[in-house]
Amino acid sequence: NAGVTQTPKFRILKIGQSMTLQCTQDMNHNYMYWYRQDPGMGLKLIYYSVGAGITDKGEVPNGYNVSRSTTEDFPLRLELAAPSQTSVYFCASSYSIPAYYEQYFGPGTRLTVT
Amino acid sequence: KNEVEQSPQNLTAQEGEFITINCSYSVGISALHWLQQHPGGGIVSLFMLSSGKKKHGRLIATINIQEKHSSLHITASHPRDSAVYICAVRPQTNSGGSNYKLTFGKGTLLTVNP
Repeated sequence: NAGVTQTPKFRILKIGQSMTLQCTQDMNHNYMYWYRQDPGMGLKLIYYSVGAGITDKGEVPNGYNVSRSTTEDFPLRLELAAPSQTSVYFCASSYSIPAYYEQYFGPGTRLTVT
Repeated sequence: KNEVEQSPQNLTAQEGEFITINCSYSVGISALHWLQQHPGGGIVSLFMLSSGKKKHGRLIATINIQEKHSSLHITASHPRDSAVYICAVRPQTNSGGSNYKLTFGKGTLLTVNP
C-alpha cells in the first residue's frame, strides 16, 4: 500500500493564482482531512470528509474548497491565493470506527504565495 | 488558552538519556494521540491511547484521564529520535461519544546529540 499520497511536494504561487492540491489514499478509509501547519503553531483542520459526497468545514476553511467524488481522492482547491495561505498542507485519512481513528498522514505540500 | 499544551517546547538531550515530554489538555477526551514529525518530513502516528500506558520499543506513552495529562517517554535516546513530537486529543462530543476530529498541541522539538 502507498498509504496517503500528496502532490505536489512544493509549489510557489503568485497572489491571485489558483491551484489544486491532490490527495489520494489506498486504505479504503472513509474519513479524510486537510490540515495546514504554520511555524510554531499546531495543525489546524481546514476541511474534512466522512465519505464520498460528504464534506464539511473545519477550523480554518476560508479561501479553500474541497470535493470528495470517490473514497480515494480528496483534492483541496485554493482560489485567489493570498500570502496568508503560505503554509505546509497535510492530508490525512482514518477508518470510521472509533477504536481505529488513528490518522495516517501524507508527506505534505509546502506552498509559498508571493 | 490552547486546549492542548505541551512542555517543554524545545528539549536537547545527550544520546542515552531518558526523555519525557508532557501534554496537558483542558477538555474531556475520548482518546489522545502522540505523533512524530521528522524535519522536512511527514507525520507518523506513534500511539493512540485512552487509558493507562502503551509501549512500543523504546517509546512509552502514559495517560491520566482524571488529571488531563499525558507523558511520552523515550528510553536510551538516540540521535535518530530527533524530531518534533506532537500531542493531539480527540474531544468528546456533547453526547459523550467519540469525535473523529483532533485538536493538536504546538509540538515539542527534541534534539538528541551524539
